[in-house]
Amino acid sequence: EPEVTQTPSHQVTQMGQEVILRCVPISNHLYFYWYRQILGQKVEFLVSFYNNEISEKSEIFDDQFSVERPDGSNFTLKIRSTKLEDSAMYFCASSSGTGSEKLFFGSGTQLSVL
Amino acid sequence: GQNIDQPTEMTATEGAIVQINCTYQTSGFNGLFWYQQHAGEAPTFLSYNVLDGLEEKGRFSSFLSRSKGYSYLLLKELQMKDSASYLCAVAPSGGSYIPTFGRGTSLIVHP
Repeated sequence: EPEVTQTPSHQVTQMGQEVILRCVPISNHLYFYWYRQILGQKVEFLVSFYNNEISEKSEIFDDQFSVERPDGSNFTLKIRSTKLEDSAMYFCASSSGTGSEKLFFGSGTQLSVL
Repeated sequence: GQNIDQPTEMTATEGAIVQINCTYQTSGFNGLFWYQQHAGEAPTFLSYNVLDGLEEKGRFSSFLSRSKGYSYLLLKELQMKDSASYLCAVAPSGGSYIPTFGRGTSLIVHP
């Protein structure tokens, strides 16, 4: 079965540093997402991406965050200047449609900001 | 906005049946998902309901009542591997189509 792949699986960084989290969505999917999950808390939506642009974003997705699809396969999340509270598991997801279509999640990147 | 409520934790015995409830309030409704999430892993899709009634899929069934803002996930013949968090997610309509997740119900299955 096709899957969403994410790299790295773990990332440790110093506060104030920039990080880039990488994702390869399922190849025939058109909608891409980033979610995060702080330890012990719920899965929170960050941003969705369709047709090479952001389609929706949450209040969490402020100016320190950006997303990019640099080529036909990769989808990246950049955090410009990390804060301690950015420590979380970041999940990339993709779907063939929106709304009623199920999300396929990657295995996540555990980000630890020290 | 949306409000989704699920029990935090449930325990059950191997071989038994367990029902995990989810209540929600939403301004527009485009279906309800259940996902399973094992500790330290990604959520995986279990079911999607958009019409009232029961959808059965093997050992797992999901029920929806739109008028009551209520859903449940029924797990039969519990196995130890069913120990996981079960996430209820509601897809809105009109404006945003992004599913919002509840806090999840941690199910512990013991022998």
